[in-house]
Amino acid sequence: DSGVTQTPKHLITATGQRVTLRCSPRSGDLSVYWYQQSLDQGLQFLIQYYNGEERAKGNILERFSAQQFPDLHSELNLSSLELGDSALYFCASSPGVRGSEKLFFGSGTQLSVL
Amino acid sequence: SQQGEEDPQALSIQEGENATMNCSYKTSINNLQWYRQNSGRGLVHLILIRSNEREKHSGRLRVTLDTSKKSSSLLITASRAADTASYFCAPYSNTGNQFYFGTGTSLTVIP
Repeated sequence: DSGVTQTPKHLITATGQRVTLRCSPRSGDLSVYWYQQSLDQGLQFLIQYYNGEERAKGNILERFSAQQFPDLHSELNLSSLELGDSALYFCASSPGVRGSEKLFFGSGTQLSVL
Repeated sequence: SQQGEEDPQALSIQEGENATMNCSYKTSINNLQWYRQNSGRGLVHLILIRSNEREKHSGRLRVTLDTSKKSSSLLITASRAADTASYFCAPYSNTGNQFYFGTGTSLTVIP
């Protein structure tokens, strides 16, 4: 058990809809990272938050947004969903802001857009 | 982006054999990490090697780093069926400040 909690584990929705994925980092970790994993794209970095502030952006679509709350949990919002958004979404956390530390991954949210 | 590229894409071996996976990257790094992912699960950190290190061991794992060739290898000795998983490398540089994973090597260990 990594200590990172992601909910829900599975999500099935329709095109055009909006969903929210939730992540609770390990106790004491200040950084949260979001990754998208699909069969054809591999593991894609989306965005990082550190102590409530956005620190880095990767290949995140404009339809996607995220935030980190004062209690350090994070939410990833996906809107105007398309079939191609179907993927496994991972959250990871680390103690500090620098990416030189090892990451602890949650078990992921499997999103299916029908 | 500082993305690692693993090679081969897939590897199938018999239990007890050694498995070697390679990783190449494009720019200078501060460290490189290897992660394992069991099917449909989150990634698990295996080992970190810093840019000033050439080799590191952890149990049955041996990682090498050649910064002149911008490559790393992960060796799993005396493989077990439980080692069946995908393995990812993640090169890290302070300038990029992020981990960019590749598509991984899918390892199958046949009992």
